[in-house]
Amino acid sequence: DIQMTQSPSSLSASVGDRVTITCRASQSIRSYLNWYQQKPGKAPKLLMYSASNLQSGVPSRFSGSGSGTDFTLTISSLQPEDYATYHCQQSYGTLITFGQGTRLDIK
Amino acid sequence: QVQLQESGPGLVKPSETLSLTCTVSGGSISSYYWSWIRQPPGKGLEWIGYIYYSGSTNYNPSFESRVTISIDTSKNQFSLKLSSVTATDTAVYYCARREMSGSPFDPWGQGIRVTVSS
Repeated sequence: DIQMTQSPSSLSASVGDRVTITCRASQSIRSYLNWYQQKPGKAPKLLMYSASNLQSGVPSRFSGSGSGTDFTLTISSLQPEDYATYHCQQSYGTLITFGQGTRLDIK
Repeated sequence: QVQLQESGPGLVKPSETLSLTCTVSGGSISSYYWSWIRQPPGKGLEWIGYIYYSGSTNYNPSFESRVTISIDTSKNQFSLKLSSVTATDTAVYYCARREMSGSPFDPWGQGIRVTVSS
């Protein structure tokens, strides 16, 4: 199985802050890495696919980078609606796995 | 645009079979991969398995002995059966689409909360 490890598990930040979340794979997954945003009581929403491609309709303050085993999701200037849990997910292996999630709270 | 909607019982007794259906609207179920994903309370997401529109399946080995995913293209629905459930199967269950192997999950259903309890 490909294990996905996100860091940090939680963080607090203020509106306007630059925020970076990291996702590490236990083996190379090339660029088969996707990011989702989940708000309480809602289904996850696709933010970024193939590591660095912004899903249609997602604000440009979100960006993604990385390949191989190390990936990052960056929010350039945090907005009130960005407070949520973020999940990474690899789609390289036949067994699809997610990171444990990163909860982003208001500071 | 394509929308997914889960349906089924919200309460299942231990040792029984959890059965859920996902109805696809706004598009055809053909030519895509259809997955079930779950999220136990306060925990992360766990992929259960997928079915291709042709009927071929791929399951998470953690569930393989207990899970069956099927598809009914005439009804634009696919289903999940998880047998011998225990309290650890209590979760929100989501259905989701992938365009092809390697693609992300998009869209997702709204999710259905299933509690395993006597």
